[in-house]
Amino acid sequence: DTAVSQTPKYLVTQMGNDKSIKCEQNLGHDTMYWYKQDSKKFLKIMFSYNNKELIINETVPNRFSPKSPDKAHLNLHINSLELGDSAVYFCASSQGDGQPHTGELFFGEGSRLTVL
Amino acid sequence: GQNIDQPTEMTATEGAIVQINCTYQTSGFNGLFWYQQHAGEAPTFLSYNVLDGLEEKGRFSSFLSRSKGYSYLLLKELQMKDSASYLCALLDSNYQLIWGAGTKLIIKP
Repeated sequence: DTAVSQTPKYLVTQMGNDKSIKCEQNLGHDTMYWYKQDSKKFLKIMFSYNNKELIINETVPNRFSPKSPDKAHLNLHINSLELGDSAVYFCASSQGDGQPHTGELFFGEGSRLTVL
Repeated sequence: GQNIDQPTEMTATEGAIVQINCTYQTSGFNGLFWYQQHAGEAPTFLSYNVLDGLEEKGRFSSFLSRSKGYSYLLLKELQMKDSASYLCALLDSNYQLIWGAGTKLIIKP
């Protein structure tokens, strides 16, 4: 069974389009995250949710909107895609108690977004 | 502010030992993680150190010196499958994870 799964794994789209990436975890964790890994391989936190509540919202454009319908799901919607949005987006989860990153992170396989 | 430094790339021989260093500067500290990431795959957890000293886990060991702002990951009996990037990540006083850029380890036969 896949612990953290995200779809799609690959996404190629044109500038200006709107796209979504979905993430689900079956580990029973309370906290979920979205990370962006750029071409230089830096992992940057974008958002963190604990029990459906937003607890980290780093400085990302408001074109990025996360949604957590329940604590097992955290989706990422991106409006008006730009070339600089091309990256690998990782979903992750951890057993936190409201403080993010108190436990090890379990990552999904990543979604490679290419904006043309 | 915070800063994490680790070498960009290292090469080692199958069967040998390699040490990957990570130095950091931070005003607050709640621990240091090491993750392994194979090309095109997700990072996977290797170790977490919050106290000074060496933590051993099979062929992998991780060391921390908080006073020196220094950690290393030691890999013994290297196997070809150990070829990957190794990411050092610092947990700061706000429990924010600050990631290094990773060290790409190349294993040669």
